[in-house]
Amino acid sequence: EAGVAQSPRYKIIEKRQSVAFWCNPISGHATLYWYQQILGQGPKLLIQFQNNGVVDDSQLPKDRFSAERLKGVDSTLKIQPAKLEDSAVYLCASSFQGSEAFFGQGTRLTVV
Amino acid sequence: KQEVTQIPAALSVPEGENLVLNCSFTDSAIYNLQWFRQDPGKGLTSLLLIQSSQREQTSGRLNASLDKSSGRSTLYIAASQPGDSATYLCAVRSIHGGSQGNLIFGKGTKLSVKP
Repeated sequence: EAGVAQSPRYKIIEKRQSVAFWCNPISGHATLYWYQQILGQGPKLLIQFQNNGVVDDSQLPKDRFSAERLKGVDSTLKIQPAKLEDSAVYLCASSFQGSEAFFGQGTRLTVV
Repeated sequence: KQEVTQIPAALSVPEGENLVLNCSFTDSAIYNLQWFRQDPGKGLTSLLLIQSSQREQTSGRLNASLDKSSGRSTLYIAASQPGDSATYLCAVRSIHGGSQGNLIFGKGTKLSVKP
C-alpha cells in the first residue's frame, strides 16, 4: 500500500514570497489533515478535510494560509505572503473513518 | 481544551534497558490514542493505535497501555536498541469530533539509546 506522498521535501523562500505544498493521501482515505510542526514542538493542526469539505480550520491563519482539496483526493496548502515565523515542517496525514492516521515525510520550509 | 503532556522531554539509556515513556491528557473523553515515532528530518511513523475501549496494544517489543479514566498512557519499549533512538509522540483524538476528530499531540520524548 502506497503511503502519503508530499512534495516538495524542502523549500527555502524569502519573506513575503508565496509557497505551495502538495499532498496525495492514501487511496480511499476520506480524511486529510495538514499539520504544522515547529522545531521542538508537537504537530499542530492547521486544517482537516473530510472528502472535499472542511471539518476544522479553526487554527489556520486565514489571512495568509489557504488550502483546498479538489475532488476529495489531492490537497494543496498555500502560504501568501510568508513570514519568518512560518518556518516549520508541514505534515500531511490521512486516515479512514477515524482509524490509524498515516503521515507523509513532510515539507521543511525555511523563510529567510 | 484538550492538552497532552509527555514526560520526560528527553531520555538517554544504555542499550538493552527496558524503558517507559509517559503521556497524559487532560480530557478523558477520547476516541482513541496513537503513538508515533519521528526520526530527525522525517515524518511520523505510526507505532500503535489504542481505541478508547482497549487497555493495551502490543507490537513486537512495544507495548502501549491506556488508562482513560486517569488520562494516562504509557509506551513500554523492551530490550532497547540504538535503532530505537528517535522522538516518540503521543496523540489523542477527542470523542467530541468522533471519528472525524483531529489528533492533538504532545511535544514528544526524545530517546537516545547508547551502544
